[in-house]
Amino acid sequence: GAVVSQHPSWVICKSGTSVKIECRSLDFQATTMFWYRQFPKQSLMLMATSNEGSKATYEQGVEKDKFLINHASLTLSTLTVTSAHPEDSSFYICSVLRRGSEQFFGPGTRLTVL
Amino acid sequence: AQSVTQLGSHVSVSEGALVLLRCNYSSSVPPYLFWYVQYPNQGLQLLLKYTTGATLVKGINGFEAEFKKSETSFHLTKPSAHMSDAAEYFCAVTLSNFGNEKLTFGTGTRLTIIP
Repeated sequence: GAVVSQHPSWVICKSGTSVKIECRSLDFQATTMFWYRQFPKQSLMLMATSNEGSKATYEQGVEKDKFLINHASLTLSTLTVTSAHPEDSSFYICSVLRRGSEQFFGPGTRLTVL
Repeated sequence: AQSVTQLGSHVSVSEGALVLLRCNYSSSVPPYLFWYVQYPNQGLQLLLKYTTGATLVKGINGFEAEFKKSETSFHLTKPSAHMSDAAEYFCAVTLSNFGNEKLTFGTGTRLTIIP
């Protein structure tokens, strides 16, 4: 069965609104989760590392005030795209790290900003 | 820092033919290497991984890959392609130091299977 879930699987919003994406670890507690962005026909680009109980670590070039990450519990991390614009339209994928093992990826969330 | 190069953004093979997807890596320390598959509008599924030990790694769906340190390569192969293998494939690398598990992905190879 699925190890990681994401909600919603797809979302369409108007420009200027905020959108929240949830990532849940279903099988184990995860202190570390990752958020990726994937543009059409491109690879995954790491946006940030989400650590439970502390501030997320953002990759260079990713605006922390635009992409708010909250790792509120050992099974839930949320990514909020604030004041979304059409250029934010993308496929957002989270992953959950099992220490000493590997990352398990969620099914992704397709965001379309009109 | 580590990086991954996937040669060939598109590969087409006939059903039943050998599949070979190329991946070369660069890493300052012994790497952990991964191959993932992505079907349209879905997340990534792990095919196989190399950490330490045996250099020939077998994965799911009949895929395997061989870690060749001298060539800094981790090519993915499958003896006989199936239609269901059509997908996007990503090679990825991470450093083996505990706690540094950031994955760096290659640009991906789209595999098309010709009936």
